[in-house]
Amino acid sequence: EVQVVESGGGLVQPGRPLRLSCTTSGFTIGDYVMNWYRQAPGKGLEWVGFIRNKAHGATTEYAASVKGRVSILRDESKSIAYLQMNSLKIEDTGVYYCARSLTTSSWYVGYWGQGTLVTVSS
Amino acid sequence: DIVMTQSPDSLAVSLGERATINCKSSQSVLYTSNNNNYLAWYQQKPGQPPKLLIYWASTRESGVPDRFSGSGSGTDFTLTISSLQAEDVAVYYCQQYYNAPITFGQGTRLEIK
Repeated sequence: EVQVVESGGGLVQPGRPLRLSCTTSGFTIGDYVMNWYRQAPGKGLEWVGFIRNKAHGATTEYAASVKGRVSILRDESKSIAYLQMNSLKIEDTGVYYCARSLTTSSWYVGYWGQGTLVTVSS
Repeated sequence: DIVMTQSPDSLAVSLGERATINCKSSQSVLYTSNNNNYLAWYQQKPGQPPKLLIYWASTRESGVPDRFSGSGSGTDFTLTISSLQAEDVAVYYCQQYYNAPITFGQGTRLEIK
């Protein structure tokens, strides 16, 4: 069974860093596109970025709103994906979802975690 | 960036009636080399992550009831629920994955009339 579980959220001050983890099971993490999405309180869905599967070079893409401040990494030995966020802003507040592509290289998502709440506030 | 615009923003439909949600993209999401529309629909219920309903504009994800259907091509798409059930109350999002950045519509809130 495919499982995706986020952790690492919490209250953080503006300007500080935070690393979210996405622990996976039931599949080989390097074979799939791993995504991060977020949702501000009461707002819609926003794509944050993804890391492609190994077959496509494990390259990354990011939304303009976070580019230069975030990195998506993957530890295949631990089956964990990470979202490293630096220089956090108040507008980064929201629920962060880790999500796996439905098929190995698709950009649409078939499996979502329950999300982890990040609150950026002084 | 491709801008996705849904209509209406909210919708109230009686149980058993048809619900229709529209999605328009600012540029075509049809990839002519494979004739696929890079468009997905998601359902999100309160307090839950989104759930994939439809991809390639009209392919129903496994386990999704057949009352859900997707149609359209190019820039104009529709999600139809043929006979609304109580458990369909949710916010629905269209998403384009034609290119990065991946973008969503603003969401359509579906309620029971």
